Amino acid sequence: GENVEQHPSTLSVQEGDSAVIKCTYSDSASNYFPWYKQELGKGPQLIIDIRSNVGEKKDQRIAVTLNKTAKHFSLHITETQPEDSAVYFCAARVGGKLIFGQGTELSVKP
Amino acid sequence: KAGVTQTPRYLIKTRGQQVTLSCSPISGHRSVSWYQQTPGQGLQFLFEYFSETQRNKGNFPGRFSGRQFSNSRSEMNVSTLELGDSALYLCASSLSGPVDYTFGSGTRLTVV
Repeated sequence: GENVEQHPSTLSVQEGDSAVIKCTYSDSASNYFPWYKQELGKGPQLIIDIRSNVGEKKDQRIAVTLNKTAKHFSLHITETQPEDSAVYFCAARVGGKLIFGQGTELSVKP
Repeated sequence: KAGVTQTPRYLIKTRGQQVTLSCSPISGHRSVSWYQQTPGQGLQFLFEYFSETQRNKGNFPGRFSGRQFSNSRSEMNVSTLELGDSALYLCASSLSGPVDYTFGSGTRLTVV
């Protein structure tokens, strides 16, 4: 069925270190893979996305990679800062909806 | 530009009651999608409305319904509330479909 698995569920890093979150999807027809950041009391905010015709996309300190053959995609955050602390969700488009991973709680310690 | 506005922010209802939540999308956006967020199930798709028509529907019981008005504002209704309906209900606005969503801050529904 439609499923997106996300790991790890929690991640703690020191300020300045890198953080990597990985997702696996099941529907081979998926062609759009967004990442969202959700802070306490707020809705998810789109931070970066990638489409299936692209293998990697970068925006300043964040990057996303996609391996369609393996049905894997990952979020990389470099030079982490305390304000990066939040819950991050990956998602995959399946038809007219997004299927979300369970989320990763990222904690960046000063 | 103004963001997605969801009202009310918080709601407490009793089992068996019904509730209506409102979402005003970004100006010019014709697609409004609704998601339920719970600690156990995560974010789950409820339905999408586009130009006043329900275009996609998730796997929720018929107690969950919605509609969209000509100005693209959307409402969702939950009838005969159950304890398990307690959740954060999120509305996502986009030009068309599940691409480049902008989410609202959500309505926190508590059923007691």
